Amino acid sequence: QQQVKQSPQSLIVQKGGISIINCAYENTAFDYFPWYQQFPGKGPALLIAIRPDVSEKKEGRFTISFNKSAKQFSLHIMDSQPGDSATYFCAASMHNFNKFYFGSGTKLNVKP
Amino acid sequence: DAGVTQSPTHLIKTRGQQVTLRCSPKSGHDTVSWYQQALGQGPQFIFQYYEEEERQRGNFPDRFSGHQFPNYSSELNVNALLLGDSALYLCASSRSDRLGTEAFFGQGTRLTVV
Repeated sequence: QQQVKQSPQSLIVQKGGISIINCAYENTAFDYFPWYQQFPGKGPALLIAIRPDVSEKKEGRFTISFNKSAKQFSLHIMDSQPGDSATYFCAASMHNFNKFYFGSGTKLNVKP
Repeated sequence: DAGVTQSPTHLIKTRGQQVTLRCSPKSGHDTVSWYQQALGQGPQFIFQYYEEEERQRGNFPDRFSGHQFPNYSSELNVNALLLGDSALYLCASSRSDRLGTEAFFGQGTRLTVV
């Protein structure tokens, strides 16, 4: 059973547009939700993270929106740039254990 | 700060062989987790080490084993390699007093089993 479901699988956005990636989870014990960015041949890099006591967190062009009742969270990339082209993974963990359950990933392609 | 470093970066092994992968955690981190990332998929948790003990384990067979050394570095061993073990193996480090917060990943070891 996949604990974290991610969509879409791939996304094409024009430069300057907004990229939106969605994730849903089942386990209400999850209490930490990070997003990772991964370039080909590299390990995942932490982008931004949120806890369920807030509904939104913004860092620069990246925003996480969190809906606790719906058990969903999303990543918004504003003013998307070609350099943002990468694979993005949402993840979730619980109870102060850094055992992450990852989504299946979204390959983002930002066209110039 | 060198961050999380893994070695080797690439490795080719024959089915049935054994392999050892190595990880040095980020400075100040004492907890190491290992993940397997198959092509086109998200990382899957293998196990986690803290104070030289395996603290948590994912759904992986006993062919996968590990070790953590007093300097917090870690090894992942895989015995009796199968073709399906071909993947990117990632090491993530974190601080035990800040679990449930950020974890940092290395660049991974690309293992190919032929």
